Amino acid sequence: GENVEQHPSTLSVQEGDSAVIKCTYSDSASNYFPWYKQELGKRPQLIIDIRSNVGEKKDQRIAVTLNKTAKHFSLHITETQPEDSAVYFCAASIGTALIFGKGTTLSVSS
Amino acid sequence: GAGVSQSPSNKVTEKGKDVELRCDPISGHTALYWYRQSLGQGLEFLIYFQGNSAPDKSGLPSDRFSAERTGGSVSTLTIQRTQQEDSAVYLCASSSQASGSTGELFFGEGSRLTVL
Repeated sequence: GENVEQHPSTLSVQEGDSAVIKCTYSDSASNYFPWYKQELGKRPQLIIDIRSNVGEKKDQRIAVTLNKTAKHFSLHITETQPEDSAVYFCAASIGTALIFGKGTTLSVSS
Repeated sequence: GAGVSQSPSNKVTEKGKDVELRCDPISGHTALYWYRQSLGQGLEFLIYFQGNSAPDKSGLPSDRFSAERTGGSVSTLTIQRTQQEDSAVYLCASSSQASGSTGELFFGEGSRLTVL
């Protein structure tokens, strides 16, 4: 079936380093790609999203890139801080549903 | 209310019992989703409601799962004859977008279900 693959499942970085999380999707009709952050014990919250008519979007330390031809998109976090530690989920619109990847646990050590 | 409200926050039940989980979305939001989050797993799509349209039930894992949304607002997810593999956090989310799959989802705190 239609799905979203996310890699890596875990990522450990030192404070100040960059972190990159990658996702691929299967439905060429997908046109909306959000990223959600879920801190321990809390609900997922939207941090950035991109639509298919845009190749890159940036918001302070986070950026998302989209390659529609290859059907993959990535989240980039620069100058990581301990408070960036969380689980990050990518998602893609597939039909009427928003399908999520399995998540990446990011750990930032100081 | 100010956000998506779910109840109960925790539910412990015995195998074979039926459970009902409730979601009260943000007022005015026409799109409503149910997701399931098992330990170490992602957000598994279950069902999507949009206004008065027929729901997208393609994510429901078995016929023991059903959901309804009354009056375009409150939704109830029902699991019949619960099994241990049903243990998970059930998350509800709502969106103001006419096409809910292309707008920000606002999640509730979730209902943690434990089936003994």
